[in-house]
Amino acid sequence: AQTVTQSQPEMSVQEAETVTLSCTYDTSESDYYLFWYKQPPSRQMILVIRQEAYKQQNATENRFSVNFQKAAKSFSLKISDSQLGDAAMYFCAYRSLQSSNSGYALNFGKGTSLLVTP
Amino acid sequence: DAGVIQSPRHEVTEMGQEVTLRCKPISGHDYLFWYRQTMMRGLELLIYFNNNVPIDDSGMPEDRFSAKMPNASFSTLKIQPSEPRDSAVYFCASRSSPFLGSASTDTQYFGPGTRLTVL
Repeated sequence: AQTVTQSQPEMSVQEAETVTLSCTYDTSESDYYLFWYKQPPSRQMILVIRQEAYKQQNATENRFSVNFQKAAKSFSLKISDSQLGDAAMYFCAYRSLQSSNSGYALNFGKGTSLLVTP
Repeated sequence: DAGVIQSPRHEVTEMGQEVTLRCKPISGHDYLFWYRQTMMRGLELLIYFNNNVPIDDSGMPEDRFSAKMPNASFSTLKIQPSEPRDSAVYFCASRSSPFLGSASTDTQYFGPGTRLTVL
């Protein structure tokens, strides 16, 4: 089974600054998807960004971008120009391309709590 | 579409009672997942359905847990009898079958979760 590791339980960033959240994973598959989800205090799980492993180009979504290092099995999230509304738990997740692997379910890391200070 | 709907949002019950959590997936989605979130274990998959059929329930912690999907628009997760260690947030999520090359269908949508407290 694939494991996802987020080694930073908590991170802090000042408003307007940049922060990077780390994620590593373990898999024997060559093709897969990686995701970052945001969970604010409302508990709602919100998709932030997605990366297909077969794509070399790093995904970007406005202020959010990833640094995907396939050989190193690393998938970090960079938040630029941090805003107070970015404060939340951030989860890294892995998804197999094989339906036999839990039906495309997501395999989550333990999360990183991001605090944004004014 | 209203998204994935879960009810109730909060449930407080006493040990030994039966608890039923409900989920309405997004119309047209053929996969439905139940996850549990706890501080100790994080987010873990309990069970998933494909076309209303339970495919993998290996994540269900024990026989006290059961899940059903009688039709494409409704699923339940039942705990009987409940125990304090079942206290957690339970999420339901749905998605459609992925189509390679179509990223727009490759998203799993989560409901707002049910926070269960067993006293």
